[in-house]
Amino acid sequence: KAGVTQTPRYLIKTRGQQVTLSCSPISGHRSVSWYQQTPGQGLQFLFEYFSETQRNKGNFPGRFSGRQFSNSRSEMNVSTLELGDSALYLCASSLAISGGDQYFGPGTRLLVL
Amino acid sequence: AQSVSQHNHHVILSEAASLELGCNYSYGGTVNLFWYVQYPGQHLQLLLKYFSGDPLVKGIKGFEAEFIKSKFSFNLRKPSVQWSDTAEYFCAVNARGGGTASKLTFGTGTRLQVTL
Repeated sequence: KAGVTQTPRYLIKTRGQQVTLSCSPISGHRSVSWYQQTPGQGLQFLFEYFSETQRNKGNFPGRFSGRQFSNSRSEMNVSTLELGDSALYLCASSLAISGGDQYFGPGTRLLVL
Repeated sequence: AQSVSQHNHHVILSEAASLELGCNYSYGGTVNLFWYVQYPGQHLQLLLKYFSGDPLVKGIKGFEAEFIKSKFSFNLRKPSVQWSDTAEYFCAVNARGGGTASKLTFGTGTRLQVTL
């Protein structure tokens, strides 16, 4: 069974630009969660989608948004990029909402210059 | 909201030494508990989990963890570490029952370095 895939793996953007990251969950998984990982803050929860609906949200500004498609694939968008948005963005999928095991993808490393 | 504390930020051990990594959480309700591991250059992997039942859970690669409800702790242990255990270890918790507390909350991680 293929694991969670994320594209692109690396991205360089400049301040003020926007970026869209993509995540394909494990086949059959309907929940997709997004996390931001930085050396200073560790892993921080962004949001979770299940059946195309956002079910849970972390404490991030509105510049961070996401969506989920009918095939469970998910995208995350960050608008008006700031230097502090440089991080590894991880996607995780699971069968059920939150309570189940989460399987992580390799992440997208975003560098904002 | 729940929170997770991992008191050891960086641990250095010799091969064959015993390991115990501390994890404490704060949340008043029923929780699920997890340990994840991130090997150098690899993505996060689930090491073990506790949902209910026997508070001593066994995971992959000889790791185990004990849930002590009265202490709000879920410490990770391994009797004899190997060089290949060098990695970063994350404790995580989420609350059962849905709602905003059901999001997975991670500790800041413990970097384990095993020397030969």
